[in-house]
Amino acid sequence: DTGVSQDPRHKITKRGQNVTFRCDPISEHNRLYWYRQTLGQGPEFLTYFQNEAQLEKSRLLSDRFSAERPKGSFSTLEIQRTEQGDSAMYLCASSLVRPGLAGSPTYEQYFGPGTRLTVT
Amino acid sequence: KQEVTQIPAALSVPEGENLVLNCSFTDSAIYNLQWFRQDPGKGLTSLLLIQSSQREQTSGRLNASLDKSSGRSTLYIAASQPGDSATYLCAVSNFNKFYFGSGTKLNVKP
Repeated sequence: DTGVSQDPRHKITKRGQNVTFRCDPISEHNRLYWYRQTLGQGPEFLTYFQNEAQLEKSRLLSDRFSAERPKGSFSTLEIQRTEQGDSAMYLCASSLVRPGLAGSPTYEQYFGPGTRLTVT
Repeated sequence: KQEVTQIPAALSVPEGENLVLNCSFTDSAIYNLQWFRQDPGKGLTSLLLIQSSQREQTSGRLNASLDKSSGRSTLYIAASQPGDSATYLCAVSNFNKFYFGSGTKLNVKP
């Protein structure tokens, strides 16, 4: 079991540069999520994919952010023209949606180790 | 919008104590509630998932309960150990995504 992996683990960039992060989910999982976490806070939802379709984006995801999941496998998150306020931990999670008890779907999220972004 | 609150924000206990962490949420129309552990600078590790129709789940020394009608969950840790020191996060989900609290930072002193 390889779990969820993310690359790189750390990224330091200068303001105005573009950065791209990669996430490889657990292979049989059909959903993939991106979150952002700042110090002392819980993760904030950014976007998610069901297979290759991007189904929801948070208002936090400005037009400088774009995410893709070609072929429903790995995903990339790109930030263009980085700003100091983008400094955070970017977390990826995956899950398998399946029928739950009492008819509601259920899904358990598994997280990767995160990518720590520092914008100087 | 779903709001998730965790109290206390920090907790320090001596080794061996039993303890309870609290999580409350504003919208009871949830599908799941999941408890996570996060070590400094690391990702989140899933501890327990409770589906909306369940009242509790247990794993080893951990027991999580869910009361949807009152918008509350508790995580009970029995016989705490220094290795339990971490931040504990709860998250509730609708069909699409999870909403997280800010966590309880637990320190178990030897």
